[in-house]
Amino acid sequence: AQKVTQAQTEISVVEKEDVTLDCVYETRDTTYYLFWYKQPPSGELVFLIRRNSFDEQNEISGRYSWNFQKSTSSFNFTITASQVVDSAVYFCALSEAGTGRRALTFGSGTRLQVQP
Amino acid sequence: DAGVIQSPRHEVTEMGQEVTLRCKPISGHDYLFWYRQTMMRGLELLIYFNNNVPIDDSGMPEDRFSAKMPNASFSTLKIQPSEPRDSAVYFCASSLSGARGNTEAFFGQGTRLTVV
Repeated sequence: AQKVTQAQTEISVVEKEDVTLDCVYETRDTTYYLFWYKQPPSGELVFLIRRNSFDEQNEISGRYSWNFQKSTSSFNFTITASQVVDSAVYFCALSEAGTGRRALTFGSGTRLQVQP
Repeated sequence: DAGVIQSPRHEVTEMGQEVTLRCKPISGHDYLFWYRQTMMRGLELLIYFNNNVPIDDSGMPEDRFSAKMPNASFSTLKIQPSEPRDSAVYFCASSLSGARGNTEAFFGQGTRLTVV
């Protein structure tokens, strides 16, 4: 069965610091997809990124970057020069293609607090 | 596009009452998901549909919960009778199938249910 672990429950940083959110996943499927979502204090879930298991290229989008390493089953998320608006709960999620199961399995989330 | 629309945003009801949550997915999306978020259990899948057909309802807690999708633009999640332990935020999400494989799901604003 699939599983996503976000060991960091809460992280607090000061504005402009870099911060990395860890995500470790488990799956027996060879084709799968990984996602990151942001849940700001307002409560909605906002999609950030999707990667498939065949694409290990790191991705950068502005201050956000993602490091996907199949060898360690990790998909870590780094925010560079953090801002107060980055304060939110961040969820890593997994869906498997081989089983045909489309639904997302979420990690428990990491609460990020960025202090001014 | 208006995104996934859920109603009501907040619902307070007394134990034993019937509760109906509603969802309008993004037009053209053929997958619809219902998730529940609680402090204790995090984000968990309740049920999902493909082309209006339920595919996986293994997350539905018990017979008190039922979900329907009578057409491509509307779904309901019903709890009858409701209990205090059903208090949670219920999210509806939709996604699009296609050559890209398992695509990202877009979430509604959620319905915060309180059963007293």
